[in-house]
This record gives sequence, structure tokens and C-alpha cells, in this order.
Amino acid sequence: ETGVTQSPTHLIKTRGQQVTLRCSSQSGHNTVSWYQQALGQGPQFIFQYYREEENGRGNFPPRFSGLQFPNYSSELNVNALELDDSALYLCASSWGLRGGGTDTQYFGPGTRLTVL
Amino acid sequence: AQSVTQLGSHVSVSEGALVLLRCNYSSSVPPYLFWYVQYPNQGLQLLLKYTSAATLVKGINGFEAEFKKSETSFHLTKPSAHMSDAAEYFCAVSASTGSARQLTFGSGTQLTVLP
Repeated sequence: ETGVTQSPTHLIKTRGQQVTLRCSSQSGHNTVSWYQQALGQGPQFIFQYYREEENGRGNFPPRFSGLQFPNYSSELNVNALELDDSALYLCASSWGLRGGGTDTQYFGPGTRLTVL
Repeated sequence: AQSVTQLGSHVSVSEGALVLLRCNYSSSVPPYLFWYVQYPNQGLQLLLKYTSAATLVKGINGFEAEFKKSETSFHLTKPSAHMSDAAEYFCAVSASTGSARQLTFGSGTQLTVLP
């Protein structure tokens, strides 16, 4: 069984640029959630995708957007990068029903984004 | 809204001593509760979860946690600390956001194990 994978591992961008982060979910999972973890803090929920549709969103601006593909892999896109976007971005996959399911989320290793 | 408070951002114990990491939650509905561990420069690994079955939950690596509704607590314990337990630990509550169930995390507790 393959776990959750993310790419790239590290990324350096400058303010105002755009970035795309990628996530492959664990085999058999249909739901992907994205979290932002700033240094020294707990992860913050960005949004969740269930069967290719956005299924809930945290308190993040619209310049944070995403996609989920038919194989349940996912992308996180961030436009107009700001210095405060520097963080570890974590992807988690789970098997769920809309609003239900097992709720157990399994995390990937994360992508470390640095915005200069 | 749901929230989690982890008491103590840093905890130090001697190798072989009891580990106790504290977590209190706030939830308007019966919660699902989780403990995750994060080693340096890695993602989060699930230690254990409570989903309304037995109140005493056993996890991996000898950890366990007890759900106490009256105290709104879900503290993590391990009888005997090992050097490899040094890491950051996060308590989380599963909450519904519209049709999604998101995890709301505490701010984390850094565990140091002294030789």
C-alpha cells in the first residue's frame, strides 16, 4: 500500500509569483485535505476535495485554490505569493462520504515553501 | 466552532519516566479526537484516535489516551519514555465545515527526553 506523497520537497519563490504543489493520495482514498503549517504552529485547514469537488474551505483567501483529479491526486495553487505564505504545506488523504466517513486523515511529508 | 488547547508548549521527561501530554477540547457536538506526532522535517503520523467507542484508546509505540467528557480532555500518556519519543505532538479535533470534516489542531507540545 502506497502512502501519501507530495512534491516538491522544498520550493523557493519570490513575492508575487505563483506556485503549484502536488499530492498523491493513499491507495483507496477519495478525499484530500490541505493544511498550512507555519513555523512553530499547528496545521491550519485550507480546503478539502471529495471526488473532484471542493468540499469545504477554511479561512484562506481565494488566491489559494486547488484541484482534484479522477485518480484522486490533488494540486494546491497559490497566486500572488506573500511573505506570510512561507510554511510547510501538508496534504492528507482519507476515505470518506460527503460529511462523514472514517475521518482518519493520513498525512504526506509536506512541501516546505519559502517566499522571499 | 471546535477548538483544542494543549497545555505546555514544551515538556521534558527523563528516559523511562511517565509521559503526560495534556489536551482539552471544545466541541458543540460529540467529537472525534486524534493525536499525531511530527518528527523534524517530516509530516504528521497518526498515533491514535477516539471515535466514540471505548474511552481508553491505545495507539502505536506504547501511547494511549483517555477521553473524559466531564473534563473535556483527551490527555496522551506513555508509561516509560524512550529517546525515540522526542518529537512534537499535536492534538486535533475533527469538526464539520459544511459538508467537510476538517481537523482543528492545537499548537503542539514539544517533547524532550533526557538521558
